[in-house]
Amino acid sequence: ELKVEQNPLFLSMQEGKNYTIYCNYSTTSDRLYWYRQDPGKSLESLFVLLSNGAVKQEGRLMASLDTKARLSTLHITAAVHDLSATYFCAVKAYGGATNKLIFGTGTLLAVQP
Amino acid sequence: NAGVTQTPKFQVLKTGQSMTLQCAQDMNHEYMSWYRQDPGMGLRLIHYSVGAGITDQGEVPNGYNVSRSTTEDFPLRLLSAAPSQTSVYFCASSSQGWGGDTQYFGPGTRLTVL
Repeated sequence: ELKVEQNPLFLSMQEGKNYTIYCNYSTTSDRLYWYRQDPGKSLESLFVLLSNGAVKQEGRLMASLDTKARLSTLHITAAVHDLSATYFCAVKAYGGATNKLIFGTGTLLAVQP
Repeated sequence: NAGVTQTPKFQVLKTGQSMTLQCAQDMNHEYMSWYRQDPGMGLRLIHYSVGAGITDQGEVPNGYNVSRSTTEDFPLRLLSAAPSQTSVYFCASSSQGWGGDTQYFGPGTRLTVL
């Protein structure tokens, strides 16, 4: 059974600092997604990672995937207040339906001035 | 395109009542899914569909029914509402093609069962 763990669950950062959110999963996967959710809002897609060693960057966020370690990271560079949100990773089990995703519990990121 | 739409936005039910949460998408996506979001538990997949006439169970299907008679619509039915079904429900859709299949989420339905 596929399980997905994220850590930390809560992250308070100062503006300008760097930090990393980790997403571990328990069985073989062929796709991993990162989403952002603002309070009271829906989810917004950030990245889709398809293969081992995949790295994608958008602004101050960079996501990477290590399928051998079953680990993805979301790295935040020089955080700004606008990045405050909850971040979720979601994993598709290898060979499973593309829309059968298991989500992590989320990381609430609070960027302090 | 309106994207993924959900109705209603808010709903209060009494225990034992039934209702249907509506979800529609106008992007001609084959894949559609229903999730519930509870505090501290992330999103959990209830049911999903890979095309019209095809549905399957996710992690937490008990107490919910779905059907997919058209590509556009994927309603979620609560058969006999229970307080444990108080949650925020999200519908999502995605296309079949290779390249990542980004899921597009609807705005959500906040359901309270008394």
